Parts: sequence; C-alpha cells; structure tokens
Amino acid sequence: DAEITQSPRHKITETGRQVTLACHQTWNHNNMFWYRQDLGHGLRLIHYSYGVHDTNKGEVSDGYSVSRSNTEDLPLTLESAASSQTSVYFCASSPGLGTQYFGPGTRLTVL
Amino acid sequence: AQSVTQLGSHVSVSEGALVLLRCNYSSSVPPYLFWYVQYPNQGLQLLLKYTSAATLVKGINGFEAEFKKSETSFHLTKPSAHMSDAAEYFCAVSGTMNDYKLSFGAGTTVTVRA
Repeated sequence: DAEITQSPRHKITETGRQVTLACHQTWNHNNMFWYRQDLGHGLRLIHYSYGVHDTNKGEVSDGYSVSRSNTEDLPLTLESAASSQTSVYFCASSPGLGTQYFGPGTRLTVL
Repeated sequence: AQSVTQLGSHVSVSEGALVLLRCNYSSSVPPYLFWYVQYPNQGLQLLLKYTSAATLVKGINGFEAEFKKSETSFHLTKPSAHMSDAAEYFCAVSGTMNDYKLSFGAGTTVTVRA
C-alpha cells in the first residue's frame, strides 16, 4: 500500500545545530507540505512544493528550508535550531486540490 | 486568503450524547472544506470533505457535516458519542482552484465521559 513516512519519529537536539527531518511518500503525488503543530495554533504551514525543484514558503518559514530533488522526498532542514522550533512536525502529500495525506509526525525537542 | 475558525477548544460529552463541533469559514465560498481527526500520538486522518456536490456530507465513524452558505459554517456532528471518539478534531479549508494549500483551525479536543 502507498504511504507517507517520516523519520526520525523523535529527535532531541541542541540550540544552534542543523537538523534535517525526512519525509518520503510512495503515492507519486506532486504536492508535498510541511506543517508544525503547537498547542492553540493548530497546524501551520512551513514550506510546500508542487513538483520537483519547486519550493515555496508558508506562513512560518523563517529558520526552515526544503529542497525537492525527486517526487518522493521533501526533507525539512532547520539551519540553526532554536528553542522556539520545539514542536511536532507533520509532512503531507496530495495529488492536487483536495485531500492531503499525513505522515505520523516527528516530535522535535531543541534544548 | 481562506481561513477557518473553530469555536471551542475543548468539548466534553457523555457517552451516547450528541457531538457538535463548530467551524466557520471566511466569507468567500471555498472549493473544499474538510474535517480531520487526530488520535493521540498519530497523524491526521480525513473524516470527511465538502466538494460542493452535496451540502450534507457523511464521513467515517458515523460523523457528518453540513455546509451552510448563509451561515458560513461547516459544523461536524455525530448523534451518539463513543469512547473511541476522544481525539482532536481540525476543520480545514482549501485555497482557490489552483492553490493546493490547506488552512487549519486551531482544533477542538473532544473528551468522552463514561
């Protein structure tokens, strides 16, 4: 069955370190999204991509970057981790306008 | 840009009672509206979606939602709550036809009392 996976599921890092969160989908969807989930804020969009080599900033993109070298993967990089980036991160994919399919999430703690 | 507002961050219901979760969208009619559910330590799962084909939308696990343009609402209901319905619920709205992003509400946590 097609799926979307995220790794690692849990990560603890220190302030200032670079961190990369992986997202891999096997649906062959063109569209991929990264969100962060914080209490009281729901899900907020960080970055998104509508195809290979396409990347776009979401509403909370400062301090994050993504790259899309193939259809299956959209890794999220925190260039210099900050305590404010402690959160749960979700990756999602979609074939177009409509339903997004979510991964299981990565819980990141920045100390 | 489209947005949604969920009224009430926490809802507590008795087992067997009606579940009603409220969602209002911004004034322009969106292409799609969604309700997602998140169980503890899991990702989001689609409950149901509105795509303009019908104003009353039926989803999984006995949930349904009604699109009301006059009230700019898309409230989620279930006639009889079950303990397994305890979760967080998110309303979301799509952008324009060429904009595939979703905007989410802040979420409503449902607890079910025995």
